[in-house]
Amino acid sequence: NAGVTQTPKFRILKIGQSMTLQCTQDMNHNYMYWYRQDPGMGLKLIYYSVGAGITDKGEVPNGYNVSRSTTEDFPLRLELAAPSQTSVYFCATTSGGSLNEKLFFGSGTQLSVL
Amino acid sequence: GQQLNQSPQSMFIQEGEDVSMNCTSSSIFNTWLWYKQDPGEGPVLLIALYKAGELTSNGRLTAQFGITRKDSFLNISASIPSDVGIYFCAGVNRDDKIIFGKGTRLHILP
Repeated sequence: NAGVTQTPKFRILKIGQSMTLQCTQDMNHNYMYWYRQDPGMGLKLIYYSVGAGITDKGEVPNGYNVSRSTTEDFPLRLELAAPSQTSVYFCATTSGGSLNEKLFFGSGTQLSVL
Repeated sequence: GQQLNQSPQSMFIQEGEDVSMNCTSSSIFNTWLWYKQDPGEGPVLLIALYKAGELTSNGRLTAQFGITRKDSFLNISASIPSDVGIYFCAGVNRDDKIIFGKGTRLHILP
């Protein structure tokens, strides 16, 4: 039982490149989230999904896209990478009930845009 | 938007000391959560609080949900080296949105 798995662990992009951050969970949770964590800051919600086929914007969605074709996978897409997107990205899930409670986090993807 | 003020930003303590950190806001929250993040890992939930005045323990950790519903604190007793990390408070508001504090970095001096 792996929980929440994120790949890659680290990535360096050039400005304007695109990439997809992968997130998969084997906990059969309906709710999935993408957060970014900037140095010395708390977690900011980018996008979330309450189930397959449903996605919603969070606090800081600009520059990102998501899809949720299956319960297990919730990839985050950066189309035109910018230096402001340098951050650590965390995927998280919850089992349901209260929307945001008891988040289970992946181990993160550290992204640098140069 | 709603903000959580978490203090202190960082702490340097000796092993065996007790630790206290808190989180305050001008807004009311329905749930308070405390997470710990180890280096290179995602945050892990330590304690969840659901009622004003509630005091909950998890081993050497104790957290309280403030009576005004605008604050919470976390205490760690008899700190050990594995307590090192970043501690985040988080509040869940009436819209079921979670707001995170900026974290308290705990360092333990040898």
